[in-house]
Amino acid sequence: GAVVSQHPSWVICKSGTSVKIECRSLDFQATTMFWYRQFPKQSLMLMATSNEGSKATYEQGVEKDKFLINHASLTLSTLTVTSAHPEDSSFYICSASASNVGNQPQHFGDGTRLSIL
Amino acid sequence: QKEVEQNSGPLSVPEGAIASLNCTYSDRGSQSFFWYRQYSGKSPELIMSIYSNGDKEDGRFTAQLNKASQYVSLLIRDSQPSDSATYLCAVTGSSASKIIFGSGTRLSIRP
Repeated sequence: GAVVSQHPSWVICKSGTSVKIECRSLDFQATTMFWYRQFPKQSLMLMATSNEGSKATYEQGVEKDKFLINHASLTLSTLTVTSAHPEDSSFYICSASASNVGNQPQHFGDGTRLSIL
Repeated sequence: QKEVEQNSGPLSVPEGAIASLNCTYSDRGSQSFFWYRQYSGKSPELIMSIYSNGDKEDGRFTAQLNKASQYVSLLIRDSQPSDSATYLCAVTGSSASKIIFGSGTRLSIRP
């Protein structure tokens, strides 16, 4: 149980392109979804937290106009990197929780490796 | 002081031995604790959850929680080369709204 599907796995695109990443909880309702970014050999960095039907809460330093998050249903959240540039190249990982309080674990998708040329 | 602290390692353990991974946290009101394993280039996967003081065993893994001392540990018995990975400790703060991840301990099991 607790399967989270994330697509696409890899994206390579030109600078200036907008990229959408999908995160789906397949066998549970995800009250809360999280988006992380991870650079090589570094720790997870939380970008934003989203609850179904409400606006995402962004961490300090994360541009909400650049990283658009939509959590329209209890099983789907999307992250759109708008006008991506080489410095946005990273490993983006979503996770989902069946609770909006932290007493339930987060279950992670397989991640999306984004390369901007 | 970081909210969740782990030794970055690498921790090198011979195959078949017990690997001991430690984590301390700063929020005394924390209630929920998790261990994740992350292989290089992959996303984290949940290994154990623990919510009350004491030990919790699952196969070769044992999580230990001591709320008075504010530490949580993970023991891996009969370590295998496939256990080589980064292990992330995660803690829910007293506000219970967010899970805070440590920066992880890199474990290497040498044959």
